[in-house]
Amino acid sequence: NAGVTQTPKFRILKIGQSMTLQCTQDMNHNYMYWYRQDPGMGLKLIYYSVGAGITDKGEVPNGYNVSRSTTEDFPLRLELAAPSQTSVYFCASSYSESTWWNQPQHFGDGTRLSIL
Amino acid sequence: GQQVMQIPQYQHVQEGEDFTTYCNSSTTLSNIQWYKQRPGGHPVFLIQLVKSGEVKKQKRLTFQFGEAKKNSSLHITATQTTDVGTYFCAGKEEKLTFGTGTRLTIIP
Repeated sequence: NAGVTQTPKFRILKIGQSMTLQCTQDMNHNYMYWYRQDPGMGLKLIYYSVGAGITDKGEVPNGYNVSRSTTEDFPLRLELAAPSQTSVYFCASSYSESTWWNQPQHFGDGTRLSIL
Repeated sequence: GQQVMQIPQYQHVQEGEDFTTYCNSSTTLSNIQWYKQRPGGHPVFLIQLVKSGEVKKQKRLTFQFGEAKKNSSLHITATQTTDVGTYFCAGKEEKLTFGTGTRLTIIP
């Protein structure tokens, strides 16, 4: 199993450009999340999804959008890139046997995004 | 809102020395998870603690959940170079919130 796969691994954007970070998982997890990690800092939740067709905001959703049309995929879109969005972005997924907060999260390798 | 702080932010130890990181929440947690992130890597789940006062061990790693369920600790005995990385706690009140992390470096 590949687990959680993120593409691209690296990207440089110009201010004002848009892009989509791709995330797919093959573990049949219902729950998926997007985090950003600034240098030397912890993880901040951007958006999460508890199943196909359902998404909700996390701690830092401004400037981002998500969609969840299938169980496997959870893309994150930046519409108007700003320097403050320079960060490492991690996608994660987990099972939903009980409450999702009790389940370990499985992370992808991350996308390193620089906005200049 | 819920805040999860970890201390210290950085820790440099000689190989073979012990290491401890502390996780403190502003609110009572229903459970706490610990993750390890190697340099340049992604967080990897280590363990989850649920019960008040719970203690769990994984080889040289000992995890504790406080009696009041507002704090937790991770202790590594006799560190090895493979222990290098950043250790995060993640606590749940209403939502899972990651701590600020403790970066461990080992001096061989």
